[in-house]
Amino acid sequence: DIQLTQSPSTLSASVGDRVTITCRASQSISVWLAWYQQKPGKAPKLLIYKASSLQSGVPSRFSGSGSGTEFTLTISSLQPDDFATYFCQKYDSYSPWTFGQGTKVEIK
Amino acid sequence: QVHLEQSGAELKRPGASVKVSCKASGYTFIGYYIHWVRQAPGQGLEYMGWINPDSGGTDFIQKFQGRVTLTRDRSTSTAYMDMTRLTSDDTAVYFCARGPQGGNSWFDFWGQGTLVSVSS
Repeated sequence: DIQLTQSPSTLSASVGDRVTITCRASQSISVWLAWYQQKPGKAPKLLIYKASSLQSGVPSRFSGSGSGTEFTLTISSLQPDDFATYFCQKYDSYSPWTFGQGTKVEIK
Repeated sequence: QVHLEQSGAELKRPGASVKVSCKASGYTFIGYYIHWVRQAPGQGLEYMGWINPDSGGTDFIQKFQGRVTLTRDRSTSTAYMDMTRLTSDDTAVYFCARGPQGGNSWFDFWGQGTLVSVSS
């Protein structure tokens, strides 16, 4: 099965910082990658799908890029509401859906 | 607006079964797969399987095959996840989520989650 590895596991940042989270796949998954934000006690919220498509209603400070095995989620200017845990997910139809282990964005 | 409403928290004994419901509203139920994901306390997200509400077809990752049953009731737009032979390792929040692109999809809307606690 294809594995996803996120880095870093924890990230300390300040409001206004540019933040980048990386997700690496053990094999190529083309652009079949999504990003989610999860806050404590809540369900995940879709941010990005198909590697770089912004979900409707998600602020434009969130962006995704990449293809094949390396992907990034970037928050251009971190806002107080963005402190949360972020997960990547692959969804190609040839192998089971898989999530990365998560990246927690903390206040510095 | 799209909404997935899940049933309430459950406390079960080891060896028991649990059935979690996920009632969809705000869209055509049979047009979108429903996926199930769980999250153990303090842990990441673990994918479990999907159901096609139109055909009733299902698929699961291997570790849940034989222990999880996914069903749906088209008349009430509700999907169900039934898990048998519960152990403490099954203590988790269980989420249903909608997949807008059939069997090869991200998840655009999620239920609020159902906590299943397994303890003697």
